[in-house]
Amino acid sequence: KAGVTQTPRYLIKTRGQQVTLSCSPISGHRSVSWYQQTPGQGLQFLFEYFSETQRNKGNFPGRFSGRQFSNSRSEMNVSTLELGDSALYLCASSLVGDRGIDEQYFGPGTRLTVT
Amino acid sequence: AQSVTQLDSQVPVFEEAPVELRCNYSSSVSVYLFWYVQYPNQGLQLLLKYLSGSTLVESINGFEAEFNKSQTSFHLRKPSVHISDTAEYFCAVSDSGNTPLVFGKGTRLSVIA
Repeated sequence: KAGVTQTPRYLIKTRGQQVTLSCSPISGHRSVSWYQQTPGQGLQFLFEYFSETQRNKGNFPGRFSGRQFSNSRSEMNVSTLELGDSALYLCASSLVGDRGIDEQYFGPGTRLTVT
Repeated sequence: AQSVTQLDSQVPVFEEAPVELRCNYSSSVSVYLFWYVQYPNQGLQLLLKYLSGSTLVESINGFEAEFNKSQTSFHLRKPSVHISDTAEYFCAVSDSGNTPLVFGKGTRLSVIA
């Protein structure tokens, strides 16, 4: 079974631009979560989507948004990029069975550099 | 809200020596606990997890962690490390199935030949 894929793997943008990152979950997984990883703040939760609905949201400004499609693929968008948005953006998918807690499988990440 | 503290940001250890990576979480009635490993330029891989039952959990590559409710800890141990264990290790906690994972800052394990 193919793992979580993220595209693109690397991205360089300029301040003020916007960017869209894509995540394809493992086949059959219905939940997709996004995290931002930086050396200073570590891993911070952005949001989670389940069945095309945002189920949880972290403490990030409204410039960060996301969506999930009917095939469970997810995109996140960052508008009006700032230098501090430079980070590794990780996507994770999980099955979400009846038990309610499932292992999250992470993709390799998209490294975004804002100049 | 949950929080996770990984007490050591870097741990150097000689090959074949034992290692312990410490993790403490803020108190809660029930928690789910995880250890993830991240190799350079890769995403996170689940190493082991505690959901319920036995407080000692093991991974297939020799790591183990023990859930200690009274000390709110979930320390990761390995009796003999290998060069290939060099990576960053993250402890994470969730209150329930529908709450997001909260990660610690990570511990960089460096195994020295």
